[in-house]
Amino acid sequence: GDSVTQMEGPVTLSEEAFLTINCTYTATGYPSLFWYVQYPGEGLQLLLKATKADDKGSNKGFEATYRKETTSFHLEKGSVQVSDSAVYFCALSGVGGTSYGKLTFGQGTILTVHP
Amino acid sequence: EAQVTQNPRYLITVTGKKLTVTCSQNMNHEYMSWYRQDPGLGLRQIYYSMNVEVTDKGDVPEGYKVSRKEKRNFPLILESPSPNQTSLYFCASRSLPGPLALHFGNGTRLTVT
Repeated sequence: GDSVTQMEGPVTLSEEAFLTINCTYTATGYPSLFWYVQYPGEGLQLLLKATKADDKGSNKGFEATYRKETTSFHLEKGSVQVSDSAVYFCALSGVGGTSYGKLTFGQGTILTVHP
Repeated sequence: EAQVTQNPRYLITVTGKKLTVTCSQNMNHEYMSWYRQDPGLGLRQIYYSMNVEVTDKGDVPEGYKVSRKEKRNFPLILESPSPNQTSLYFCASRSLPGPLALHFGNGTRLTVT
């Protein structure tokens, strides 16, 4: 079945540091890929998405590129802020059968940014 | 405002006492789903629904029931809760078809003692 693997956390950075959170996936066909962010006490919010190979999703300074050849969708940001502290989830959307419409999530990566 | 509303936000109960967590969306979405979030495991799907009266099991359905009598509502029912169902629960919805993102509620923190 479909699966998503994220880098182990937690990740602790200083403000303005470069961020990478690795995400790789296993799926049949060509799934859509997503990054969600969860701030303390809140539900998950869509951060960015990509629906086909080589697409780059971007939002709020975050970027991720859909790499079919390496089955990866790594999240990057050039300069993090304290307000970026949150839990980040990589996810894929299945393309057929019982996977259609379903999001499969990675285990989440806790990011803490210090001033 | 487009939203998914879950109630209650926090719930403490005892083993075996039936409970229902409500979920309602105002976006006319066909697809609704329940997830549970546990540390180190991410979010796992419990049940989902493609439309009214159409529901199916996700990855961890044991101990849960759902119903979809109206398009906007998708309650999660625990008929006999057990401590291993202590978790953070999220309801989510989206339109079909297409690779559209899920919209999530703010979660229900359930503790079963």
